[in-house]
Amino acid sequence: KAGVTQTPRYLIKTRGQQVTLSCSPISGHRSVSWYQQTPGQGLQFLFEYFSETQRNKGNFPGRFSGRQFSNSRSEMNVSTLELGDSALYLCASSLEGPSAGELFFGEGSRLTVL
Amino acid sequence: DQQVKQNSPSLSVQEGRISILNCDYTNSMFDYFLWYKKYPAEGPTFLISISSIKDKNEDGRFTVFLNKSAKHLSLHIVPSQPGDSAVYFCAASGVGGTSYGKLTFGQGTILTVHP
Repeated sequence: KAGVTQTPRYLIKTRGQQVTLSCSPISGHRSVSWYQQTPGQGLQFLFEYFSETQRNKGNFPGRFSGRQFSNSRSEMNVSTLELGDSALYLCASSLEGPSAGELFFGEGSRLTVL
Repeated sequence: DQQVKQNSPSLSVQEGRISILNCDYTNSMFDYFLWYKKYPAEGPTFLISISSIKDKNEDGRFTVFLNKSAKHLSLHIVPSQPGDSAVYFCAASGVGGTSYGKLTFGQGTILTVHP
C-alpha cells in the first residue's frame, strides 16, 4: 500500500510570493491534515479536511489555506510568503474517527523563503 | 501555552539498556495519546498509542504507560537498539469536532543509543 505522497519535496521562494503544496493520502483514507514543523515551534496543526470540507483549523493567519478534492487529494496554499514561513510542511492522512487517532505522515515539503 | 511537554530535549542510552522517554500534558480533555518516531528528512512514523481508559499498552519492545492523575505518560524501550536513535514525539488528541485531524505534539526528545 503506497504511503502519503507530498510534492514538491523541496522548494525555494522569495518573500511576497505564494506557494502551493500537494498531498496524496493513503488509498482509502478520507481525512487529510496539514502540519507545520519549525525548530522553534515544533509540529503545529494547520487544518484538516474530510470529504472536501474543512472540519478543523489551527491558529494560523488567513494566508494559509487549503482544499481537498473528491479523490481525497489535498493542496495547501500560502500567500504573501514571509521569512517565518520557512518550515517543513507535513501532510498526514487517517481513517475517519471521533478523534485524530493514528495519523500517517508523508515525508514533507521543505519550504525556504528568502 | 504548551499543552504537551517533553522536558528532556535529549537522552543517551547504551545498547541493550532501557530507554525511558517522558511526556506531561495539561489539558484534561485529552483522551488519546500517541508516540511518533522521526528520522531526519522523513515524516513522523507512528509507534504506539494508548487510550485514556488504559494505563499500559505494549507492542514488542515498546510500552507506553499513562498516569492520568499526574497527567503523565512515558515510553519504555527495552532493549534499546542503535536503530532506535531518532527524535521521539509525544502527541495527544481529544474527542469531537475540534479534534478532527488535530494532534498536539510535544517538542520532541532526541534519543541516541550507543553500541
